[in-house]
Order: sequence, then C-alpha cells, then structure tokens
Amino acid sequence: QVQLQESGPGLVKPSETLSLLCAVSGYSISSGYYWGWIRQPPGKGLEWIGSIYHSGRTYHNLSLKSRVTISVDTSKNQFSLNLSSVTAADTAVYYCSRSGNWDFWGQGTLVTVSS
Amino acid sequence: QSVLTQAPSASGTPGQRVTISCSGSSSNIGRNAVNWYQQLPGTAPKLLIYSNNQRPSGVPDRFSGSKSGTSASLAISGLQSEDEADYYCAAWDGSLDGWVFGGGTKLTVL
Repeated sequence: QVQLQESGPGLVKPSETLSLLCAVSGYSISSGYYWGWIRQPPGKGLEWIGSIYHSGRTYHNLSLKSRVTISVDTSKNQFSLNLSSVTAADTAVYYCSRSGNWDFWGQGTLVTVSS
Repeated sequence: QSVLTQAPSASGTPGQRVTISCSGSSSNIGRNAVNWYQQLPGTAPKLLIYSNNQRPSGVPDRFSGSKSGTSASLAISGLQSEDEADYYCAAWDGSLDGWVFGGGTKLTVL
C-alpha cells in the first residue's frame, strides 16, 4: 500500500519560506508517476500547487509559480515543497499525493502563517 | 473562483439518489478525464471516481460518474448517512497546463 507522510513547521512567519517534506513508502518514486502538492485553506476548497516527476520535471500552478519550488530526492524516496514570501493567504492544510489520479494522499499538515 | 464550477450544496434523504454536477470548459473537462473525490470532515480527500466513470477498488458501486461535453456528474444511489461529506471534481487543464478543481459540493443527508 502506498503511504505518504508530510512533515514540516506548523508555523511560518510572513515573508519567510514555507518548507515541507513528503516521505513516500510502499512505492518507489523512481518507478514512475508524478507526485504533487495540494493545499486547502481553512473552510475552503482544494488548490493544486504543483507536481514533479522522478526525473525532476515539474509543473506548477501559474498563480503560484514564481514562489514555488518542488524537488525530489529519489535516494530517500521523498519530495519537497518550498513556498517563498508567504502571507496569511498561504495558511492552509498542505497535502502531498501521488499525482495523475491523486489516488494516495498524506494525512495533511496545517501550516499557519503568522508573526 | 474555481475553474470548475460546482453547486456549493446538495442534500438528500437516506435511500435517495442524488447527483452532483461539475461544469468546465473545452480546455479541461472537454478534452480530459474527470476525477471525483470525497472528503469527510477532518480527513484527506479520497479518490472516488477516476477517468470519468471508473471506481477504484473498494469504492461501492453506489457511486458512479459520467461526462458529457464540458460537464461531468457524480451520482450516489441508495444514499447513506456516511455519505455526508464534501465532494470535489478535478481535471487537467491544457490551457493552464495544470490541475484544476471544483469548489466542492457539501452533501447533507437529511
């Protein structure tokens, strides 16, 4: 069974960089599929942030592209998200998931942007 | 403002059949497959339907999906109290070169 687990700080200051890690187990990232990040502000809907292939090829949400960096570490079977210059609008539950059909999800981690 | 449009709420009584709609455009639903997700309160979304009408293993056949033109629908038959959740549609958008989601429909079982 494919399992994903997000980790990272739950509180980030405005203008700083949000950094999250997603550890994958039960499936080798190098075997295929894109892997991605989706977020959900409190009480709101889902928003795709971006996706990455094991080769490093990425796709990003155009509305966030200039602030988003997604990278992959196949040796550790994990991928990461960096979102720079955060504001309160970036407060959300951040999910990592296997992209394509988004069939396997992490439990999500709440990141609050506040001073 | 979501790229895919869903009604914010829907409701039904136990045993009833309800339909949730998702409206898009030629750049997303019109040319790409639609997925549906169920999100129970406080949990991560769960894949319910993929490729317009395919059910992952373990999803009851009470759930079905369809697509016509630039719209898609999720139907739930034999409604049960545990179906009370938020439902989201999603598709790849070729113009935006990215994934787009509907705003979600909150289903209430009366």
